[in-house]
Amino acid sequence: AQKVTQAQTEISVVEKEDVTLDCVYETRDTTYYLFWYKQPPSGELVFLIRRNSFDEQNEISGRYSWNFQKSTSSFNFTITASQVVDSAVYFCALKGERGANNLFFGTGTRLTVIP
Amino acid sequence: EAGVAQSPRYKIIEKRQSVAFWCNPISGHATLYWYQQILGQGPKLLIQFQNNGVVDDSQLPKDRFSAERLKGVDSTLKIQPAKLEDSAVYLCASSLAVGAYNEQFFGPGTRLTVL
Repeated sequence: AQKVTQAQTEISVVEKEDVTLDCVYETRDTTYYLFWYKQPPSGELVFLIRRNSFDEQNEISGRYSWNFQKSTSSFNFTITASQVVDSAVYFCALKGERGANNLFFGTGTRLTVIP
Repeated sequence: EAGVAQSPRYKIIEKRQSVAFWCNPISGHATLYWYQQILGQGPKLLIQFQNNGVVDDSQLPKDRFSAERLKGVDSTLKIQPAKLEDSAVYLCASSLAVGAYNEQFFGPGTRLTVL
């Protein structure tokens, strides 16, 4: 069974602080993909990143970075020098290679960046 | 490139009424998904189409929900009759093809309130 846990329901930070959003996943598949999506108040889910299970290299994209650790089944997301525009709900999602190719989402973390 | 279009954006109905949502995916995308997102939760897949065929509808409450994609392009999702617990945002997404590596692009969603 596929499962994604985002234990942090809500986080508030002051602008320019760094913040890390946690994601822990469960799957029996050996090949799988992990995703992060951003959902701003407008409601549309915006794709941020995709990682496959064989690539454990950390990735940095501007102020965003992702730390994938198979040993702890975690795929954490860090925003450096947060900005007000980062305020949104962030979802971690998992897609297995076998069976239905649908995304299993976590419950999301609501990030509020205070100016 | 135009994104995934959905209409209406908002709908308020009374329980036991019927409602229909429309989705137009990104041009050329063969795979179309309908998700239900209840407040405070992550999106949950209802049904997945590949062209005009159903790939996965295991989570669709078939006694009241139906969906079609007759010409393999746009799609409609219908609820008949609606229940209070159907209040949610209904998200449509599309991807180039079925496959775990294919990124899904999401529309803005339709927010349904059942009174």
